[in-house]
Amino acid sequence: ETGVTQTPRHLVMGMTNKKSLKCEQHLGHNAMYWYKQSAKKPLELMFVYSLEERVENNSVPSRFSPECPNSSHLFLHLHTLQPEDSALYLCASSLYWDNTEAFFGQGTRLTVV
Amino acid sequence: AQTVTQSQPEMSVQEAETVTLSCTYDTSESDYYLFWYKQPPSRQMILVIRQEAYKQQNATENRFSVNFQKAAKSFSLKISDSQLGDAAMYFCAYRSAQGSNYKLTFGKGTLLTVNP
Repeated sequence: ETGVTQTPRHLVMGMTNKKSLKCEQHLGHNAMYWYKQSAKKPLELMFVYSLEERVENNSVPSRFSPECPNSSHLFLHLHTLQPEDSALYLCASSLYWDNTEAFFGQGTRLTVV
Repeated sequence: AQTVTQSQPEMSVQEAETVTLSCTYDTSESDYYLFWYKQPPSRQMILVIRQEAYKQQNATENRFSVNFQKAAKSFSLKISDSQLGDAAMYFCAYRSAQGSNYKLTFGKGTLLTVNP
C-alpha cells in the first residue's frame, strides 16, 4: 500500500453513461497524475495536476474530464466513452510535479460496453 | 522524443535463481533518470530501483541491481535469489532531468514468472 487509493477498483459502463473515477492520497503530495494502461502498450500519461492546477493535458479526448478540487483528491469524469477506452486507469502522486518518484494507486479497471 | 524498449515480453526464472530483464532507451539528453517499476497482480505500480544518469555507479536495492551502460543506452535489471513474490510485470521507465520535462516514459513491460 503506497498511500494512493483509487475507487472503484472495477467499473463497467455503457457508451452513453457518465461515471467518475476517484483518486485520493494523504501523503502530503502536491502533484497528481492520471495514466492509461492498455494491453500490449506502454503506460500513457493523460493529465498532470500541480497544486490543483492542470499543467499537462496529453492530447486526451474531451470525453475524459479531470478535476482536482484539492491537492489530496483527483477525479476523472467519463462520458460517452468508446470501447477502445477500456483500460486500466492509474492514478499517481509525487511530492512536486518535477519530483522523480511517483507513487501509484492500484488502478480502476474500466470496461466500456 | 524519448523511447523505451523492453525486448522481452515474458521471462521465467526458477526460485532462488538469478534473472536479468533488458531495457534500452533512446534519448539525446545527457541528464536523466531511469527506473524499474514492478506491477504485481494487485496492479499497484511499485518503484523497485532508480538510477541517475550522472552516476557511474550502478544502483542496488537488496536483491535488485542494475547494469547501467550509458553509452549503449542500456539499463538492465538483475534480480538475485528470485522469490515467488517477485512474479509481476516489470516496467522500465525514463524521465528527463531537464526543466519541465517531467513525463515518465514507460516501456511495454516484461512479465516475469517465478517457478517453484
